[in-house]
Amino acid sequence: EAGVAQSPRYKIIEKRQSVAFWCNPISGHATLYWYQQILGQGPKLLIQFQNNGVVDDSQLPKDRFSAERLKGVDSTLKIQPAKLEDSAVYLCASSLGPGRGNEQFFGPGTRLTVL
Amino acid sequence: AQSVTQPDIHITVSEGASLELRCNYSYGATPYLFWYVQSPGQGLQLLLKYFSGDTLVQGIKGFEAEFKRSQSSFNLRKPSVHWSDAAEYFCAGGGSSNTGKLIFGQGTTLQVKP
Repeated sequence: EAGVAQSPRYKIIEKRQSVAFWCNPISGHATLYWYQQILGQGPKLLIQFQNNGVVDDSQLPKDRFSAERLKGVDSTLKIQPAKLEDSAVYLCASSLGPGRGNEQFFGPGTRLTVL
Repeated sequence: AQSVTQPDIHITVSEGASLELRCNYSYGATPYLFWYVQSPGQGLQLLLKYFSGDTLVQGIKGFEAEFKRSQSSFNLRKPSVHWSDAAEYFCAGGGSSNTGKLIFGQGTTLQVKP
């Protein structure tokens, strides 16, 4: 079974530029999560989708971050414009459903460096 | 507010020695708790989870964890550490909502000495 795929794996941009990350979850997984992991910290949930609807985006900085999951499969996370403090690893995870019994499977992450 | 705390940022153990990584949680309701491991450049891999029932849970790679409500702890243990266990370990918890949202601790980096 293929795991969660993410691209690119690494990205370096200058502040005020825009960037987009892509995630392809495990086939059949209805729930998709984007986490931000700053160096030395644990992952923090940015946004959670159930199919193509948003379940939780309470910690997404909506003035600069946006995410979509138009067909309920792949997802894109965008940052525009980027700030220095956005340097982090962005992890995508998926699960069969949103309930507490469903394991989240994580992709390898995209490491973003903002100069 | 719900929170998960890992008091130890960095731990070094000798290969073959026992290991205990600490995790404390703060939840109003019965939490469900997880331990994940992250190797360099890799995503997080689930080691074990606790939802209810037996407070001692077994996981993959020889790890186990014990849920202690009286101490608000969910410590991870392994009787004999292997060099390949060197990685970063995260404790995570979910609250009463059924959304699946996880709150992670800040992580503990494990170094294994030969």
